[in-house]
Amino acid sequence: QQQVKQSPQSLIVQKGGISIINCAYENTAFDYFPWYQQFPGKGPALLIAIRPDVSEKKEGRFTISFNKSAKQFSLHIMDSQPGDSATYFCAAPQYNFNKFYFGSGTKLNVKP
Amino acid sequence: KAGVTQTPRYLIKTRGQQVTLSCSPISGHRSVSWYQQTPGQGLQFLFEYFSETQRNKGNFPGRFSGRQFSNSRSEMNVSTLELGDSALYLCASSLVAGSQPQHFGDGTRLSIL
Repeated sequence: QQQVKQSPQSLIVQKGGISIINCAYENTAFDYFPWYQQFPGKGPALLIAIRPDVSEKKEGRFTISFNKSAKQFSLHIMDSQPGDSATYFCAAPQYNFNKFYFGSGTKLNVKP
Repeated sequence: KAGVTQTPRYLIKTRGQQVTLSCSPISGHRSVSWYQQTPGQGLQFLFEYFSETQRNKGNFPGRFSGRQFSNSRSEMNVSTLELGDSALYLCASSLVAGSQPQHFGDGTRLSIL
């Protein structure tokens, strides 16, 4: 059973555009929803995270929108830049543990 | 503050051999988790350690094992290597068990010939 489902698998956006990546989860016990950014040859780096007591969190050009009733959360990258080209993963931890269930990843390509 | 450090960065082994990978967490972090990343299966949880005790284990065969030392450093061992063990092995640390956020190292790329 896939605990976290991520879409799309790949995304091409023009420079300056908005990139949107979606995740849906199954387990209502999840209480922390991070997004990780991974460049080739590097480990995942924490980008932004949200807890279910808020519906939106914004940090610079990156925003998480959270819909608790639909069990969905999404990453929005405003004014996308070529340097944002990377693979993005959503995740959710097993409650009270550090075990992450990861989405399958979205490869973002921002065209100059 | 130094991040999570994994050594070695690259490793080439042959089938049947065994391998040990090392992870030094961020200073002050006492929880360490390990993940396997492959193109086909994505990121899969191996195990989680806190205070030298394994708290959680993923769905991997017994050939995969780990341990944590009193200084929070952790090692994972894979015995009787198979071709399918070729992967990027990632370590993540957090302050205490069950706490967020977790921070990842850059991984050890293991290739099995």
